Order: sequence, then C-alpha cells, then structure tokens
Amino acid sequence: EAQVTQNPRYLITVTGKKLTVTCSQNMNHEYMSWYRQDPGLGLRQIYYSMNVEVTDKGDVPEGYKVSRKEKRNFPLILESPSPNQTSLYFCASSLRSGTSGINEQFFGPGTRLTVL
Amino acid sequence: AQSVSQHNHHVILSEAASLELGCNYSYGGTVNLFWYVQYPGQHLQLLLKYFSGDPLVKGIKGFEAEFIKSKFSFNLRKPSVQWSDTAEYFCAVNSGASGNTGKLIFGQGTTLQVKP
Repeated sequence: EAQVTQNPRYLITVTGKKLTVTCSQNMNHEYMSWYRQDPGLGLRQIYYSMNVEVTDKGDVPEGYKVSRKEKRNFPLILESPSPNQTSLYFCASSLRSGTSGINEQFFGPGTRLTVL
Repeated sequence: AQSVSQHNHHVILSEAASLELGCNYSYGGTVNLFWYVQYPGQHLQLLLKYFSGDPLVKGIKGFEAEFIKSKFSFNLRKPSVQWSDTAEYFCAVNSGASGNTGKLIFGQGTTLQVKP
C-alpha cells in the first residue's frame, strides 16, 4: 500500500530533551516536506526537500533540523524542544513534475508532540 | 505575501443541506489548488485538485469545486451533506510553475459539523 508513515504518533517530552520524528514513504517520491498544524493557523511548512541531500527552510524552521540521506526517509529533529513546539506534525511527499512542479502531496498520519 | 483565506471557521448544517465553503487566495502566478479533508483523529486526505483545464472539478465523495480566476476563488460545494462529512476542511494553494518549491499555503481551515 502506498503510504507515508510517521513515528511516533504521540510523544510527550520535556524541554531540552532532543527528539527525532521519523518519516518514511514508499512511493519513490522525490519531494518531502514537514508541516506543523496549530489551531486557527492551518498548516505551516517547516522544511522541505526536493531530493536526496537537498533540503531548504519553509516558513517556520526555527528550532528544527532535517536530513535527507535516503530518498524514502526525511526525519525531523528537535535538538532542544521548547513548549512552543507543542503541535501536530505532518510529513508529506510528492512526485515532481517538469511542467507543473510539485503535484499533490500525500500526508502521513501525524505526530502529536507535547513539550512540557 | 501569498495567503489563503477561508471565509467560514465553523459551519453547522443538518443532513441533506447543501454546502459551500469559500476559499480565496492571494498569489500572482500560475497556481495549483487543492481541498483537503481531515476527519477527526485522521491525517489529511485529498478531496480534489485543480491544475488546469475545466475550472469545475469533481472530487471524491460527491464534492466539487469551481476555480474562478478573476475572483481568485476556489469554493468547495456539495449538494447534500451527510453526517459522515463532519470534518475539518482545508483549502491550499501552491505555485503551478515548473521548478516551484512545492510549498503548500493552507487556509486556516473550516470545521464542518453535520447534525443527523
């Protein structure tokens, strides 16, 4: 089944304790992205990756890191989490098209993170 | 700056009522337009999309949307809602130009509650 998977689905942690949220897709998509969802704000892009070893900042990258060593995986790293990073996080992936750029994005199930 | 505005934050309807959710975007170039749905506790799923061609697009579960370029709008419609349509609906836009970054700009979301 074609899908985007994320782990963990739920995480409660404390301020300053490094954590990684994994994201994996099995659709051979070049493009992957991380979003955070907050009430009243919709989804905002954190980081994206156009392909292996190619990453760039989205709208809200502060406090996050990413890496793209393999095509299928795009982990999100919080080196020193803070309470304002409490949010619902979604990973997404997409094919790239030569004509219309990035097409529809497929989303993972989400990771609900609470930082105390 | 690019933005997406959804007119209604919370809509309550009775079953069989007709639905129209407004979406306006601010973007100067070629756009791809999407409506995503998020059922309670689930990830985002694509309802429908518009890249080019017929401005009236049909999606899954009886939803449709009309792209009106002159009004920068992409309103979602369904003639008769069901209780199972209770969910949060997001309008999203990204650049339709080749080589774009793929970033989706999301609206704030509209929570639809359908009463049985």
